[in-house]
Amino acid sequence: NAGVTQTPKFRVLKTGQSMTLLCAQDMNHEYMYWYRQDPGMGLRLIHYSVGEGTTAKGEVPDGYNVSRLKKQNFLLGLESAAPSQTSVYFCASRKGLAETQYFGPGTRLLVL
Amino acid sequence: KQEVTQIPAALSVPEGENLVLNCSFTDSAIYNLQWFRQDPGKGLTSLLLIQSSQREQTSGRLNASLDKSSGRSTLYIAASQPGDSATYLCAVRQGGSYIPTFGRGTSLIVHP
Repeated sequence: NAGVTQTPKFRVLKTGQSMTLLCAQDMNHEYMYWYRQDPGMGLRLIHYSVGEGTTAKGEVPDGYNVSRLKKQNFLLGLESAAPSQTSVYFCASRKGLAETQYFGPGTRLLVL
Repeated sequence: KQEVTQIPAALSVPEGENLVLNCSFTDSAIYNLQWFRQDPGKGLTSLLLIQSSQREQTSGRLNASLDKSSGRSTLYIAASQPGDSATYLCAVRQGGSYIPTFGRGTSLIVHP
């Protein structure tokens, strides 16, 4: 199993540009999550999904959209990037609520 | 609202020392608790998952205990090694919630 993979690993954007971060898992997990991690702020949940076709807002959803059209993929979109969205983004997944949560390697995003 | 605290924020110990990392939570009605390790520039790696019905879990030199009534979990690392240097995070999930609450982590340095 590849586990949880994230694409791309690193990206530089200009303010106002858009992009999509891809998270893929090959473990047939139901639950998927997008977090951002910033120095001094810890991990903050952006959006999550409890199954294919579902999405829900987390703690800091503004400026982001997500889609879960296929069970194995969870996409995070930035429609108009802002410098405040400079961060490291992590995707995570778990099979069931009693199961271990697995994280991807992260995507470093720099918005100029 | 669940709050998770990890004290100390940073810890430096000599190699070979046995050490304890702490995780406190304010609401004892938890479903499970998970300990993670994060190396610099990397994603989170799951170490141990403790269900609410369990008192402890062990993996190699690691032992995690859970005391729901006092709102505490400890991660015991035996015979620490420089390779144990990392940030250790705990995450608590409430019953009925899809979302775990993360602590800010303890940054551990084990020096030779």
